Amino acid sequence: KAGVTQTPRYLIKTRGQQVTLSCSPISGHRSVSWYQQTPGQGLQFLFEYFSETQRNKGNFPGRFSGRQFSNSRSEMNVSTLELGDSALYLCASSSSTRLETQYFGPGTRLLVL
Amino acid sequence: EDKVVQSPLSLVVHEGDTVTLNCSYEVTNFRSLLWYKQEKKAPTFLFMLTSSGIEKKSGRLSSILDKKELFSILNITATQTGDSAIYLCAVDGNKLVFGAGTILRVKS
Repeated sequence: KAGVTQTPRYLIKTRGQQVTLSCSPISGHRSVSWYQQTPGQGLQFLFEYFSETQRNKGNFPGRFSGRQFSNSRSEMNVSTLELGDSALYLCASSSSTRLETQYFGPGTRLLVL
Repeated sequence: EDKVVQSPLSLVVHEGDTVTLNCSYEVTNFRSLLWYKQEKKAPTFLFMLTSSGIEKKSGRLSSILDKKELFSILNITATQTGDSAIYLCAVDGNKLVFGAGTILRVKS
């Protein structure tokens, strides 16, 4: 069974631009969660989607948005990029609401210049 | 505000040593506490604890939760170089909140 895949793996953008990251969950998984990981703040929860609906949301500004498609693939968009958005963005998929069944993807490393 | 604090922030030990990693928390509507190991990019699940005082064990790793004192420990015995990683603690309450992690380096 293929794992969680994220594209692109690395990305360089400049301040003010926008970016879209993609996450393909494990086949059959309907829940996708997004996290931001930085050295200073650690791993922070962004949002979770289940069956195309946002089920939970972390404390991030409205510049961070996401969506989930009918095939469970999810995209995350960040608009008006700031230097502080430089981070590793991880997505995780799960077949249920049980967190121990959550599998993480390899992440997208975003650098904002 | 919910928070999870891990200690120490980093640790260097020699192969064969035993280490104890700490995780304390203050969250609303506690449901579970999870431990992850992060080596390169993707964290991998280690344990999920929901009940106080019940040890979860997997090989050389074990973990226990104290819901009264609001903390958990992760023990690794007979450490190996392959145990070098960031160990993350997360608590599921109203939201999933992660600690900053403990960086463990095991020297041969």
